[in-house]
This record gives sequence, C-alpha cells and structure tokens, in this order.
Amino acid sequence: QVQLQESGPGLVKPSQTLSLTCTVSGGSISSGGYYWSWIRQHPGKGLEWIGYIYYSGSTYYNPSLKSRVTISVDTSKNQFSLKLSSVTAADTAVYYCAGLGYYDSRYDYWGQGTLVTVSS
Amino acid sequence: SYVLTQPPSVSVAPGQTARITCGGNNIGSKSVHWYQQKPGQAPVLVVYDDSDRPSGIPERFSGSNSGNTATLTISRVEAGDEADYYCQVWDSSSDLYVVFGGGTKLTVL
Repeated sequence: QVQLQESGPGLVKPSQTLSLTCTVSGGSISSGGYYWSWIRQHPGKGLEWIGYIYYSGSTYYNPSLKSRVTISVDTSKNQFSLKLSSVTAADTAVYYCAGLGYYDSRYDYWGQGTLVTVSS
Repeated sequence: SYVLTQPPSVSVAPGQTARITCGGNNIGSKSVHWYQQKPGQAPVLVVYDDSDRPSGIPERFSGSNSGNTATLTISRVEAGDEADYYCQVWDSSSDLYVVFGGGTKLTVL
C-alpha cells in the first residue's frame, strides 16, 4: 500500500519561500503509474490543485500559481518537493501531497497534510 | 477554465438518502471522482469513474453522471457520513488540469 508523508517547516515568513517534501513509501515513484501532486486547502475552504510532476520530470502547474511554484522529483530518494516563492498570509493552508493516477486521473493516495502558516 | 459547481450544504436525516450534485458544462462526457473529507483528515476517494467504488467503501455510496450534472448518492445515511464531499475531474482542454468542485457539507440531522 502506497503511503505519502509531507515534511517541512510549519511556519514561513512573508516574502520567503515555502518548501515541502513528500516521501513516498510502499511503491516506487518511478513506476510511471502516477502524477505526483500538491494540493492545498485554505482554512475552512475547498481543495486547490497546485500542480503535479511525472517521474520523468514533466510538470504541470495551476495557472494562478505558476509564476511562484516549482515542483521537483528525486527518484533516488522516492521523494518529490514543492517550492512556493514570495509567500503571503494568503498562502497559509494545509498542504497535501497526493498521487494522481496516470491513466484514471483520480487521487488514490493522499498524505495526511501539513499546516503551513505564513507569519512574521 | 472548467468549473464545477456544488451546493454548499446538504442536510438529511439518518436513514434517508442524500444526493450531492456537481454541475459542469457537459460533465457527462468526463469521468467524475468523489472524495469524502472529515474534519482534520485528508480526503478519501469514495466513488471513481462516475459510479465505481474503491474497495472498502460501503455500497451505500453510489454515483451517476449525465448531461451537465453528476450526482453522489448516499443511501441509508449514517451519522458517520457527516463530512465534506468534493467532486473532481481531469480537464485536458484547459491548462487547469485537475478541477475540484467547491465542496458540499453534508449534515446528518
């Protein structure tokens, strides 16, 4: 059973870069069966897709965040990462990593989520 | 970009049937997936490809999709079904590939 676990700072200062890592266990990130995704949820709000990466390195980002987002993959560590630059309080949210099926476009696997607060 | 519209809230008494809709332009031509999210937890897939259930999801959860509306139906609603529900599609026609509905809060009276 594939499991995902987010890690990274829970507090980031305004204007800095938010950095999170997702470690995948129970399966290989290089299997090709999934797009490895980041999704966020503002407090009390709905789900917002941030972007995803394929193991080959191909990336796809939400146009509203594209200028500030970088998603990368480290197949040797079975991890993928999120960087969000120039953060503001509006980026305070729970950030989830998740696996989107390459063929069926559904999220079978989710991390537990990590709250990132942007505050000085 | 593609937009999915859900009612903010649905209320139902225990034992009754809850229906949560997800509206989108010609959504019937897309595969719709539904997620259940309880407070403080990550979303869980409850219906995929319009009407299929992952293993471990009760038969009480079902789905349909036609025209401009997809529907998640929960039969014989239980207190434990109280949660937020989100529909999701993959839209290759725009640059917003993954689209979620705004979510529906299901309240069990």
